[in-house]
Amino acid sequence: DAGVTQSPTHLIKTRGQHVTLRCSPISGHKSVSWYQQVLGQGPQFIFQYYEKEERGRGNFPDRFSARQFPNYSSELNVNALLLGDSALYLCASSLGGAGAETQYFGPGTRLLVL
Amino acid sequence: GQNIDQPTEMTATEGAIVQINCTYQTSGFNGLFWYQQHAGEAPTFLSYNVLDGLEEKGRFSSFLSRSKGYSYLLLKELQMKDSASYLCAVRDLREYGGATNKLIFGTGTLLAVQP
Repeated sequence: DAGVTQSPTHLIKTRGQHVTLRCSPISGHKSVSWYQQVLGQGPQFIFQYYEKEERGRGNFPDRFSARQFPNYSSELNVNALLLGDSALYLCASSLGGAGAETQYFGPGTRLLVL
Repeated sequence: GQNIDQPTEMTATEGAIVQINCTYQTSGFNGLFWYQQHAGEAPTFLSYNVLDGLEEKGRFSSFLSRSKGYSYLLLKELQMKDSASYLCAVRDLREYGGATNKLIFGTGTLLAVQP
């Protein structure tokens, strides 16, 4: 079975631009979470979606938005990019939206903002 | 607030045993996870504890004490491929009334296994 997939794997943007990152969860998983990992730090929670509804939002500005589609895939959008948005963006999937479920991470999208 | 502490770096020898500690402070604790992350790669799930005690999985074991806000990951028979960052993460039920599966991560412990 395929694991969590993300695209693109790498991306270079300039300040002020917009970016869309994509994630497909493990087959049968209905929940997707997004994390930002800056070099040398642990991942920081951005969003969780379950059944197309937002279940949680971390401490990120409104420039960050996300959505989940009927097939449970998800997009993370970041507007007005800043240099500080350079990071590894990780998508994690789990079976449902709640409960102490294990989250499985995708390979990530490495974003560089110049 | 929420706080997770783990050592920044550790060094160990191939074949040896190493223990990576993690302490946490959170009001709505509902599980502690350990992930392994090789440089430039995604975190890989290692273990999960929600009750006190030891969980063993092959060469890896994880221990939890909820009263002390403490966990450790024990790696036995170290191999060179175990050189990686080890992330401690806590699930906090306070978020969204428990509906969110949000993980709060520590900064990770970079383990270097030497020959």
